[in-house]
Amino acid sequence: SQTIHQWPATLVQPVGSPLSLECTVEGTSNPNLYWYRQAAGRGLQLLFYSVGIGQISSEVPQNLSASRPQDRQFILSSKKLLLSDSGFYLCAWSSERTTGNTIYFGEGSWLTVV
Amino acid sequence: AQSVTQLDSQVPVFEEAPVELRCNYSSSVSVYLFWYVQYPNQGLQLLLKYLSGSTLVKGINGFEAEFNKSQTSFHLRKPSVHISDTAEYFCAVSERRGGGSEKLVFGKGTKLTVNP
Repeated sequence: SQTIHQWPATLVQPVGSPLSLECTVEGTSNPNLYWYRQAAGRGLQLLFYSVGIGQISSEVPQNLSASRPQDRQFILSSKKLLLSDSGFYLCAWSSERTTGNTIYFGEGSWLTVV
Repeated sequence: AQSVTQLDSQVPVFEEAPVELRCNYSSSVSVYLFWYVQYPNQGLQLLLKYLSGSTLVKGINGFEAEFNKSQTSFHLRKPSVHISDTAEYFCAVSERRGGGSEKLVFGKGTKLTVNP
């Protein structure tokens, strides 16, 4: 069966510091990968998605970037965090082999920028 | 562009009462529809999904939803809720993207609170 791992689970970082959140998927190959952010009262916002290694699409302009160095690894980064980057970050995957391309989520990472 | 509206941001109910969480969507094409549940400090878990066929979809934990194309709705229901159903529920519609990836458009969520 497929599993998705995301870490760290919680992170407190000062303004201006770098960020790296990592996500890996097991049990499937060539998944579509996603980073979502959930801010209080604002629902879920798609930040990035990737259909393959090195292929990243950004949904909104922001202070963050994403990379996919390996087929099942997706990394969310920032060079200098802003207070507004605080939130709950969710990695997710889907497969074209799954009817309707259902998206499955990781457990999330809480980021607090202080 | 597709959009999803969850009409209630918060729904308080008593234990063993029935509940309906409302969801409406807008789309110019055929859609896939989903309900996800998020327990406190956790990721999202798939509750149920409508892809095609029967308009009544049954999911986990006794939940079901009915797809109504004419009303563009996909309301979530449970005949008798438990304290453990307290969570936030998200309705989502699938939008096909270039390259085959699916983009889920989410509603803003409905917080269900089940009181004893």
